[in-house]
Amino acid sequence: QVQLQESGPGLVKPSETLSLTCTVSGDSMITYYWSWIRQPAGKGLQWIGRIYTSGSTNYKSSLKSRVTMSVDTSKNQFSLNLSSVTAADTAVYYCARESVPYCTNGVCPYFDYWGQGILVTVSS
Amino acid sequence: QSVLTQPPSVSAAPGQKVTISCSGSSSNIGNNYVSWYQQFPGTAPKLLIYENNKRPSGIPDRFSGSKSGTSATLGITGLQTGDEADYYCGTWDSSLSAGVFGGGTKLTVL
Repeated sequence: QVQLQESGPGLVKPSETLSLTCTVSGDSMITYYWSWIRQPAGKGLQWIGRIYTSGSTNYKSSLKSRVTMSVDTSKNQFSLNLSSVTAADTAVYYCARESVPYCTNGVCPYFDYWGQGILVTVSS
Repeated sequence: QSVLTQPPSVSAAPGQKVTISCSGSSSNIGNNYVSWYQQFPGTAPKLLIYENNKRPSGIPDRFSGSKSGTSATLGITGLQTGDEADYYCGTWDSSLSAGVFGGGTKLTVL
């Protein structure tokens, strides 16, 4: 059974960097994408970005200048850094495994395993 | 403002059927596959449907998915009070090179 667990500080000061780590257990990280998704209180899901085990990344365009993701397959971990945070970055942050099988007629990614989520509050 | 459009809420009586729509464009739903997620308050989303209409192991066949053009639909039959949750559609947007979600639909079973 694949399990993901987010860890990191629950409180970050404005203008500082939010740093989270996701630890994966129960399966190899190879051949999957690993994603970060956040959810502000009372709002919908927002895709932040993803990283492949090769290190290749895709980021949401509006966050691209502030986001960095990394992966360490030897530790079965991947990480998110979000710099220059403001109150608007306060949210529950989820890490998730993204399966991207081969499909004809388009791309078919889906998030099949999720962490429990970690609330990160940006406040002084 | 979400890239994919869902109704904010839907409702139906126990035992009835409900559908939740998800509307997009040619750069996302029109040319890629759709997945659906169920989320109860305070918990992580759970995969319900992938590749438009496939159910992961353990998801009952009361849940179904379909896609036509630039829209997708989640169907739930035999509604139960335990189905009350938020439902999200998601896909890949090839123009944005990014994952996108709908704004979510709150299902109430009256």
